[in-house]
Amino acid sequence: ILNVEQSPQSLHVQEGDSTNFTCSFPSSNFYALHWYRWETAKSPEALFVMTLNGDEKKKGRISATLNTKEGYSYLYIKGSQPEDSATYLCAFRAGGTSYGKLTFGQGTILTVHP
Amino acid sequence: NAGVTQTPKFQVLKTGQSMTLQCAQDMNHNSMYWYRQDPGMGLRLIYYSASEGTTDKGEVPNGYNVSRLNKREFSLRLESAAPSQTSVYFCASSDRLADTQYFGPGTRLTVL
Repeated sequence: ILNVEQSPQSLHVQEGDSTNFTCSFPSSNFYALHWYRWETAKSPEALFVMTLNGDEKKKGRISATLNTKEGYSYLYIKGSQPEDSATYLCAFRAGGTSYGKLTFGQGTILTVHP
Repeated sequence: NAGVTQTPKFQVLKTGQSMTLQCAQDMNHNSMYWYRQDPGMGLRLIYYSASEGTTDKGEVPNGYNVSRLNKREFSLRLESAAPSQTSVYFCASSDRLADTQYFGPGTRLTVL
């Protein structure tokens, strides 16, 4: 079973604060790292798919970086807004025999207070 | 374009009853997946189908069976429900294996 860890488990910030959280994954046999945003009572929605070491992706105020050699990815939110409140999931895809399977972390629950 | 749809949205079963959760996608995706989501456990893969006609076990397949009926539909069957199968079940699809996955709205299942 692959170990995908996210930290912190939960985070409370004030509107306007910038914040970041971490996804750790196995550094061997890497294929891709996904980030999803999951709002309460909705379904997870894809934010980014990252495949190359050093990748940086950006979508509005949200960005992500990837370090496959050391096995971590950071998600950054600049100037958090209440509508950013959600659970942020990362998911690791290994190559080889694990082809096709995503292993999800437990998520970071972000609450942005007005 | 409805994306991924799931039925039913809610279901209550008694221990030992059987039921089938239905999933359909209209995005012409090749791959489909079933996950369960439990508090503190994240999303865990039950079964997946790389393409029409193929299915494979995921992380937690025990107690479940699946059928890839055609390219659009992927059903999950509980033959004899147990309280441990109380969970929220999500179906997802992707264009190729483990590319961006698109999720359905979920089915909340309670087994008494």
